[in-house]
Amino acid sequence: QKEVEQDPGPLSVPEGAIVSLNCTYSNSAFQYFMWYRQYSRKGPELLMYTYSSGNKEDGRFTAQVDKSSKYISLFIRDSQPSDSATYLCAPGSNQAGTALIFGKGTTLSVSS
Amino acid sequence: NAGVTQTPKFQVLKTGQSMTLQCAQDMNHEYMSWYRQDPGMGLRLIHYSVGAGITDQGEVPNGYNVSRSTTEDFPLRLLSAAPSQTSVYFCASSYHDRGGYGYTFGSGTRLTVV
Repeated sequence: QKEVEQDPGPLSVPEGAIVSLNCTYSNSAFQYFMWYRQYSRKGPELLMYTYSSGNKEDGRFTAQVDKSSKYISLFIRDSQPSDSATYLCAPGSNQAGTALIFGKGTTLSVSS
Repeated sequence: NAGVTQTPKFQVLKTGQSMTLQCAQDMNHEYMSWYRQDPGMGLRLIHYSVGAGITDQGEVPNGYNVSRSTTEDFPLRLLSAAPSQTSVYFCASSYHDRGGYGYTFGSGTRLTVV
């Protein structure tokens, strides 16, 4: 089993839809859970960051972590064409000497 | 502007040639990493460094070398380029005590090996 599993999509939705993006992970040592957004031909940028289990909301975006099932989600409300991008999940730990491992990314297209 | 600078942005190599992808950061980050991104494969870790003089292998290290003589620079060397190394390469840097929170990526190098 890979450390981080993410459905690559692609996912196409109309403007205004609610989008749900999901990842599963295998390492119970992960404590930090990040979502990165990557526009075409650009480097990834940090979108959301949560620590341990629970929800975190930032505008139209909500990140949700369930450590008991090793499942992380990103919800986008009122999706906009500008949300069209690839979304990568990345769980991390405080363990010294490790680097971040990413999911394969889900490509989202929001049509107007 | 502060951040991670990668050069070159584009490169075409012939099979068997060698080259170095440059990465520099001016944020005094301890951690630096190299990833390659291929369609359907996501970002895969090649090599990483947790400080000057310390490097380690990631998921796909074969065919690549790294060194970290300064905090700012983390070059990636392709020893003998192969078509399988055609990819987009991203360098990233981070503070250690933030786990993955503080990762900053460069804009990438698009490499084609013919």
